[in-house]
Amino acid sequence: GDSVTQMEGPVTLSEEAFLTINCTYTATGYPSLFWYVQYPGEGLQLLLKATKADDKGSNKGFEATYRKETTSFHLEKGSVQVSDSAVYFCALPFYNTDKLIFGTGTRLQVFP
Amino acid sequence: EPEVTQTPSHQVTQMGQEVILRCVPISNHLYFYWYRQILGQKVEFLVSFYNNEISEKSEIFDDQFSVERPDGSNFTLKIRSTKLEDSAMYFCASSDNLGNNQPQHFGDGTRLSIL
Repeated sequence: GDSVTQMEGPVTLSEEAFLTINCTYTATGYPSLFWYVQYPGEGLQLLLKATKADDKGSNKGFEATYRKETTSFHLEKGSVQVSDSAVYFCALPFYNTDKLIFGTGTRLQVFP
Repeated sequence: EPEVTQTPSHQVTQMGQEVILRCVPISNHLYFYWYRQILGQKVEFLVSFYNNEISEKSEIFDDQFSVERPDGSNFTLKIRSTKLEDSAMYFCASSDNLGNNQPQHFGDGTRLSIL
């Protein structure tokens, strides 16, 4: 069935370092793909999305490209800030439904 | 920017008691959802709701759970007789359209602790 796999965390980086959080998926058809972020003590916020193969979603300096050939949607940022410290979730809608399937989440910790 | 609001932020309840978690979705949204996240685990879908009825539910959403839209603004999740394993963060979400490229907007969650 449809599923999402994320890299284990925590990811610990110094400020201004390059970030990659890996996400791969298995899906029936070609669903939209999402990254959500959860800042400490807050809910899930949509960070970015991509709706079809080769689309690149971007927001707040974060980017992710929908790669059909590798079934991946890796999240990247060129220079992280302390304020980016949060848990990041990759997600997609289960085939032919509107329910979201989430990855396990990856905690990012950025130190000054 | 409009947002989904949930109350209370933290609910502590004795096992066996009923609990109602409340949500106010974004005002022009038509599709409503509940998810839960047990500490350290994945966010899991519970139920979706449209046009005053459940459109889909997971195996977690058994007879102890119910949802309701009692008026034009609130969307509630009721757990009839809580169990220890119901302790989790519960998230409400809403979207303005169906279709797999429509994002769902989430509230900040209610942390439910069952004693």
